[in-house]
Amino acid sequence: NAGVMQNPRHLVRRRGQEARLRCSPMKGHSHVYWYRQLPEEGLKFMVYLQKENIIDESGMPKERFSAEFPKEGPSILRIQQVVRGDSAAYFCASSPLYGRAYNEQFFGPGTRLTVL
Amino acid sequence: DQQVKQNSPSLSVQEGRISILNCDYTNSMFDYFLWYKKYPAEGPTFLISISSIKDKNEDGRFTVFLNKSAKHLSLHIVPSQPGDSAVYFCAASENDYKLSFGAGTTVTVRA
Repeated sequence: NAGVMQNPRHLVRRRGQEARLRCSPMKGHSHVYWYRQLPEEGLKFMVYLQKENIIDESGMPKERFSAEFPKEGPSILRIQQVVRGDSAAYFCASSPLYGRAYNEQFFGPGTRLTVL
Repeated sequence: DQQVKQNSPSLSVQEGRISILNCDYTNSMFDYFLWYKKYPAEGPTFLISISSIKDKNEDGRFTVFLNKSAKHLSLHIVPSQPGDSAVYFCAASENDYKLSFGAGTTVTVRA
């Protein structure tokens, strides 16, 4: 059973470009979470999605950031008009259940975004 | 607004000895705490957790202690092994899915 897959693993963008990060959850998982890790900091919750629904986006910046988890295909985190402060590692996690099953939040290897 | 803090960025310990990692939190609504382990180029993997109704949880070589009054938890690894060399993250939650992480402690186990 393959784990959570994220691609690309490394992404370089120039200021003003768009960044698109993909996350394929583990087979059978219908809950996806995105976290961001800035340099010298811990992972910070961004958004929680289920298939075709955004459940909680309280950690998402109000502008330029969006996320989706369509019925078919991977979850996408989109950052428009990137700025240098968006440089970070972006981790996706998935779980099969909603609820206090924290140890079932499985993390992907992350996408390291560098904005030049 | 770092609600979870790991004040020691690194820890070096000799193989066979005890590793003690510390974590402090500020949000009194946190009621579930976890430790994750992370190797380079990989995502965090769950290690051990504890509910706020307990003060200790043990799993093999790993034990987590929770002191609610001090808003402090610690992870003990006994005995430390070379494969334990990794970054350890403390995390906490007040709801069913949103985790707040500390900045991590890099553990190096010396042979």
